[in-house]
Amino acid sequence: DTEVTQTPKHLVMGMTNKKSLKCEQHMGHRAMYWYKQKAKKPPELMFVYSYEKLSINESVPSRFSPECPNSSLLNLHLHALQPEDSALYLCASSIPGLAVGETQYFGPGTRLLVL
Amino acid sequence: KNEVEQSPQNLTAQEGEFITINCSYSVGISALHWLQQHPGGGIVSLFMLSSGKKKHGRLIATINIQEKHSSLHITASHPRDSAVYICASQTSGSRLTFGEGTQLTVNP
Repeated sequence: DTEVTQTPKHLVMGMTNKKSLKCEQHMGHRAMYWYKQKAKKPPELMFVYSYEKLSINESVPSRFSPECPNSSLLNLHLHALQPEDSALYLCASSIPGLAVGETQYFGPGTRLLVL
Repeated sequence: KNEVEQSPQNLTAQEGEFITINCSYSVGISALHWLQQHPGGGIVSLFMLSSGKKKHGRLIATINIQEKHSSLHITASHPRDSAVYICASQTSGSRLTFGEGTQLTVNP
């Protein structure tokens, strides 16, 4: 299984809603990532988990709350988002700590619209 | 600070043409990645390079470590190759630094 899955594919939410994005992989990868991508721009790194511990937080606002309940799952909890948070949210995974570089496997993304 | 620059930003080709996309980076790296993103959104890793050249089907990626430059070539291009191609450098750890991407359109 060489796939990263993400649910839901699309999400529309109001600014007062609470929702969660889910990412799953069964490749045994112990590094997992959340990226945010705006139209016609490259992905921006938000969070990295390594061995289920948060290792990188790119000064993301607290209305985004990541969670890594186990080595296969990564969640992104959303609360009180703003319209400018509308974007494609991508999850990725990799084998951490390889000296020669790590290939990241990306999920299909969740397209989020905040009204 | 590591910066990654890609050229061209946009590229239109006729089916069958040979295509080259270029990528330059500013600091020493552990690996250079080429990624493909189709309009649906999902990103596929095409190549990870630390030296020399790799080939997969009609795609060829090269890297010159001394010049801090990499190229992605597509031979006999096809409309299904139309996508955004992104170059990303990796220094230490897991962090990728992305270029702005090249939008490729191949017309039949």
